[in-house]
Amino acid sequence: EVQLVESGGGLVQPGGSLRLSCAASGLIFSSNSMNWVRQAPGKGLEWVSYISSSSPTIYYADSVKGRFTVSRDNTKNSVYLQMRDLRDEDTGVYYCARATASGWGGAADYWGLGTLVTVSS
Amino acid sequence: EIVLTQSPGTLSLSPGERATLSCRASRSVSSNYLAWYQQKPGQAPRLLIYAASSRATGVPDRFSGSGSGTDFTLTISRLEPEDFAVYYCQQYGSSLPWTFGQGTRVEIK
Repeated sequence: EVQLVESGGGLVQPGGSLRLSCAASGLIFSSNSMNWVRQAPGKGLEWVSYISSSSPTIYYADSVKGRFTVSRDNTKNSVYLQMRDLRDEDTGVYYCARATASGWGGAADYWGLGTLVTVSS
Repeated sequence: EIVLTQSPGTLSLSPGERATLSCRASRSVSSNYLAWYQQKPGQAPRLLIYAASSRATGVPDRFSGSGSGTDFTLTISRLEPEDFAVYYCQQYGSSLPWTFGQGTRVEIK
């Protein structure tokens, strides 16, 4: 059974930094591309970032480009999201999700439970 | 950026009824790479449909997707009590950023 477990969320002041982690199990992690998707409180879904399985291809939403960095460690079956210069509008639940083989990688078939990031002074 | 507009915002139906949800794109979605998700309160989204009309693993056949280009539809043939939730469409084609619609809430009438 595929399991994705996010961690690293919490309360941070505007301008601060946070590093999210996502530990994967039940799949051959090195063969899978991954996405981060977020959801502000009471709002809809927003795709944040994508990292391919190897020689990684990386994409970001314009709203986080230059502030967030996605990476992965296939030896630890983990993907990370380093977030810097955080803003109030970055508040929300951050989901790690496995990319499907369909299309360019943005659809996701397995999701973690999410980790809450709150940016507030 | 491709903007996805879902309608209606809220759909009030009874169990056993048919639900038809619409997702319209501001420009053509490449190769019809359009997905549908279901989300219940406090839960992560669940993939229902990918590539406009392919059901994800384990999804009941009362869920079906159709459409192409800029107009897509998710149909739930007969609503079960567990189908009352929020549904999102997402385009994941060659046009970055990948975007979601604002969601349609299906509520019990």
